[in-house]
Amino acid sequence: AQKITQTQPGMFVQEKEAVTLDCTYDTSDPSYGLFWYKQPSSGEMIFLIYQGSYDQQNATEGRYSLNFQKARKSANLVISASQLGDSAMYFCAMRLTGRRALTFGSGTRLQVQP
Amino acid sequence: NAGVTQTPKFQVLKTGQSMTLQCAQDMNHNSMYWYRQDPGMGLRLIYYSASEGTTDKGEVPNGYNVSRLNKREFSLRLESAAPSQTSVYFCASSIASGRATYFGPGTRLTVL
Repeated sequence: AQKITQTQPGMFVQEKEAVTLDCTYDTSDPSYGLFWYKQPSSGEMIFLIYQGSYDQQNATEGRYSLNFQKARKSANLVISASQLGDSAMYFCAMRLTGRRALTFGSGTRLQVQP
Repeated sequence: NAGVTQTPKFQVLKTGQSMTLQCAQDMNHNSMYWYRQDPGMGLRLIYYSASEGTTDKGEVPNGYNVSRLNKREFSLRLESAAPSQTSVYFCASSIASGRATYFGPGTRLTVL
């Protein structure tokens, strides 16, 4: 069975600085996808970024990048130039290829300070 | 383009009451899901439907039933609500091999 671990319950970062949110995963399947979602205080789940297990390059989406280290089974989210609006819960998730449902970690609460 | 919609947004039930959470998507996705989110935890899968007419249990299916009415709609029913079912419920959808799963705004359910 697959498992996602997020070891940072809460993080603080100064506005305009970069921050890394940690995510490790456990699966014996060779084919899978890794996802990051943002959940602001309003409650909705917002898709941020995706990384496939066979992708050669790290995924990037604007200020978000995913630091994918396959051998270490880690998929850390890097947010560059943090903004006050980045304050939210962030969830790492995984989906095995051939299965449709996501498995989520417990989340990291990020607070951006002015 | 509404994406994934859910009704109601808030609901308070008494123990033993029943209710149905409604979900619809307009993205022509084959797969739909129901998740629950409890405080301090990530989302956990209750049920999912890979296509119209099929449903499968997820991680926490006990106390729930689902219906995939058509390709657009996927409902979640609580037959006899219990306080342990107090949670935020999210409906989601994806294409079969898609990279993203899209979520609805959630339903905050309290069972007294």
